[in-house]
Amino acid sequence: EAQVTQNPRYLITVTGKKLTVTCSQNMNHEYMSWYRQDPGLGLRQIYYSMNVEVTDKGDVPEGYKVSRKEKRNFPLILESPSPNQTSLYFCASSLVGYLAKNIQYFGAGTRLSVL
Amino acid sequence: DQQVKQNSPSLSVQEGRISILNCDYTNSMFDYFLWYKKYPAEGPTFLISISSIKDKNEDGRFTVFLNKSAKHLSLHIVPSQPGDSAVYFCAASRRKIQGAQKLVFGQGTRLTINP
Repeated sequence: EAQVTQNPRYLITVTGKKLTVTCSQNMNHEYMSWYRQDPGLGLRQIYYSMNVEVTDKGDVPEGYKVSRKEKRNFPLILESPSPNQTSLYFCASSLVGYLAKNIQYFGAGTRLSVL
Repeated sequence: DQQVKQNSPSLSVQEGRISILNCDYTNSMFDYFLWYKKYPAEGPTFLISISSIKDKNEDGRFTVFLNKSAKHLSLHIVPSQPGDSAVYFCAASRRKIQGAQKLVFGQGTRLTINP
């Protein structure tokens, strides 16, 4: 089954304790992206990657890191989480190119609470 | 700077009636528009899309209308069913630019279909 898998689904942590949220896709997609969803703000892009070893900032990158060492994986790293990073996070992937129509496929989400 | 806006946070419709969800955008460079549907505890899933060269696209009970001069699009669901109760996100992109995969999302509208 074609899917984007995020882990963990739920996470409660404390300020300053480094954490990683994993994302993996099995569709051989070149493009992967991380979003956060907050009430009244919709989905905002954190980071994205056009292919292996190619990453770039989205609209709200502060406090986050990413890496793309393999095509299928795109982990999101919070080196020193703060309470304002409490949010619902989504990973997404898609093919690249005009015919791909920018249709992105999303994981089920990771709900993060930073105390 | 909210480039894609969904001004109605919620909408309640009776089963069998038409649901109309609205979306406005400010960037005239957007050339492709998508609607995503999101159930609780799941990631957004692609519903329907429309290119800027069209003014209507239909898929079963779902129709998207685009008014480029007004920078407005709408999603019509006819007839509405209880399973349509979800949060709907409007998204826009600039597909013609090589490598441009970014989706800009609206804030979302929570649709509730009442029996």
